[in-house]
Amino acid sequence: QKEVEQDPGPLSVPEGAIVSLNCTYSNSAFQYFMWYRQYSRKGPELLMYTYSSGNKEDGRFTAQVDKSSKYISLFIRDSQPSDSATYLCASQMDSSYKLIFGSGTRLLVRP
Amino acid sequence: SAVISQKPSRDICQRGTSLTIQCQVDSQVTMMFWYRQQPGQSLTLIATANQGSEATYESGFVIDKFPISRPNLTFSTLTVSNMSPEDSSIYLCSVEDPDSSGNTIYFGEGSWLTVV
Repeated sequence: QKEVEQDPGPLSVPEGAIVSLNCTYSNSAFQYFMWYRQYSRKGPELLMYTYSSGNKEDGRFTAQVDKSSKYISLFIRDSQPSDSATYLCASQMDSSYKLIFGSGTRLLVRP
Repeated sequence: SAVISQKPSRDICQRGTSLTIQCQVDSQVTMMFWYRQQPGQSLTLIATANQGSEATYESGFVIDKFPISRPNLTFSTLTVSNMSPEDSSIYLCSVEDPDSSGNTIYFGEGSWLTVV
């Protein structure tokens, strides 16, 4: 079993839709949770960074972590075609810089 | 956040040859990391490179195959040795955020290697 599981998609939505991207993880020691966006032929770009459980909002993006169920979510409001990319969730233990990534979900926002 | 530059951005390499990837950061950082992203796969940490010490390799990666240098706080190299088609991947340099007290990690644009 992978430590971080993510549905590869692709996920296709119309412009303006609310997008929900999800990951599950198995290691209870994970304390930090990140979402990266990766455009085709580009490096991953850090979108959101959350410590422990709770919600964090940044513009159209909301990251949610539920440690009791080991569930990580990223919500994108008013999705735009420019949001079309692969979204990678990642987890990290305290006192460690090593990131454990999910396999990524490819998102397509149709105009 | 730090600006991370990698060279080459892409290359086509012959089987059996070696290629060195360079990573330059615009600020001093303690921790630098090298990840691999194979086609259709997720990112996997190869090794952690700290200045003045030997790199620390993850399980499944060895120094003979992926020698790393870290001569100063802004630069590192990763060599992929004796390449085979299975080494065709994106190799990504990453650093801890020097301005953050947390564990924020940023990535370069990657070096896309194709081995033929």
